[in-house]
Amino acid sequence: DGGITQSPKYLFRKEGQNVTLSCEQNLNHDAMYWYRQDPGQGLRLIYYSQIVNDFQKGDIAEGYSVSREKKESFPLTVTSAQKNPTAFYLCASSAPDRVRYGYTFGSGTRLTVV
Amino acid sequence: GQQLNQSPQSMFIQEGEDVSMNCTSSSIFNTWLWYKQDPGEGPVLLIALYKAGELTSNGRLTAQFGITRKDSFLNISASIPSDVGIYFCAGHYGGATNKLIFGTGTLLAVQP
Repeated sequence: DGGITQSPKYLFRKEGQNVTLSCEQNLNHDAMYWYRQDPGQGLRLIYYSQIVNDFQKGDIAEGYSVSREKKESFPLTVTSAQKNPTAFYLCASSAPDRVRYGYTFGSGTRLTVV
Repeated sequence: GQQLNQSPQSMFIQEGEDVSMNCTSSSIFNTWLWYKQDPGEGPVLLIALYKAGELTSNGRLTAQFGITRKDSFLNISASIPSDVGIYFCAGHYGGATNKLIFGTGTLLAVQP
């Protein structure tokens, strides 16, 4: 079955450590997105990529980095520069000419920094 | 970044009640989408709307694309406990626009 997989589901890290969240899709989608979700808040765009080896900052990119070396993969690194990294992170994908039909989301990674 | 206004922010209802929520924008959209997010999961697409005035149903869910193209509405009839979750609207401007604009979400709690 085609889908989008985020791993791990739960992640704990010490303050000051970088951590990388995985996002893999086998939907043959060119476009991929990372969102952050805090309690009581909506979805805030961190980074997005329309094509391999290209990505753009979203609304809250500071303290995060991404890479897009393969079509299927769009990992997100939460760096020590991110002031408040504890949150629920969602990855999504879409065919770029079919955004109007919606994104497919992964099941999320809950990151807790202690 | 832009977010659409959703109302109400949260709802606490009894099983069997009907639910209404809406989403408003200062901009015109060509597409409105409604998603549901179960607790601890990613959002799942419920309904897509592509034409002003369009009314589309998915089981007990009915959504409408507002005539002004600046709003959309979602109704849930005869709510059940598994309707619990966060409901998001999303808008798309159309053309080559490569992102959706999401609403702030409506949290729905259903008491059996």
